[in-house]
Amino acid sequence: DQQVKQNSPSLSVQEGRISILNCDYTNSMFDYFLWYKKYPAEGPTFLISISSIKDKNEDGRFTVFLNKSAKHLSLHIVPSQPGDSAVYFCAANDAGGFKTIFGAGTRLFVKA
Amino acid sequence: GAVVSQHPSWVICKSGTSVKIECRSLDFQATTMFWYRQFPKQSLMLMATSNEGSKATYEQGVEKDKFLINHASLTLSTLTVTSAHPEDSSFYICSARVSVSLEQYFGPGTRLTVT
Repeated sequence: DQQVKQNSPSLSVQEGRISILNCDYTNSMFDYFLWYKKYPAEGPTFLISISSIKDKNEDGRFTVFLNKSAKHLSLHIVPSQPGDSAVYFCAANDAGGFKTIFGAGTRLFVKA
Repeated sequence: GAVVSQHPSWVICKSGTSVKIECRSLDFQATTMFWYRQFPKQSLMLMATSNEGSKATYEQGVEKDKFLINHASLTLSTLTVTSAHPEDSSFYICSARVSVSLEQYFGPGTRLTVT
């Protein structure tokens, strides 16, 4: 049972435009959400996070939106750059924070 | 920023042999370390969680006698794949977390190929 779902395996965006990566979750006990970025043959790197008490968190070009009622979060990258091309993982922690559940990832291609 | 290293970055071994992978937090003390496995084009699968000085907690379906985890210090955890078989070939990634943070800092991963 996938508790964190990223239904789009890939996304292609033109440089300078907005990239929107989506994530859905099923467990209402999740209270902290994270996005990680991963390049091939490397470990993921932390990108941005959001607590369930917020609905938006912004860091430079990256903004994460959380809709708790819909159990949905999204990552917006604007403007998108070719260097943003990578796999993006959505992840969620439960209230105890002991375990992080990862989605399957979305591969983003930013075309120059 | 927090840096986690893994060694080796890639290893090829023969079926039946054992392989040890090291995970080190270089500039911070990690109260908890995690071991993941990633198959091609798939998500990170958590194998086990280890806290310094205590036994690792394995996820369902992960054989603890096959994947031995030792977390001897706040900066070092090791994963030993015992009696490796070709189906153990995968990308193994460790991560570390400090107690006050929920973010995990990942190592660069180890590509294991069992022939």
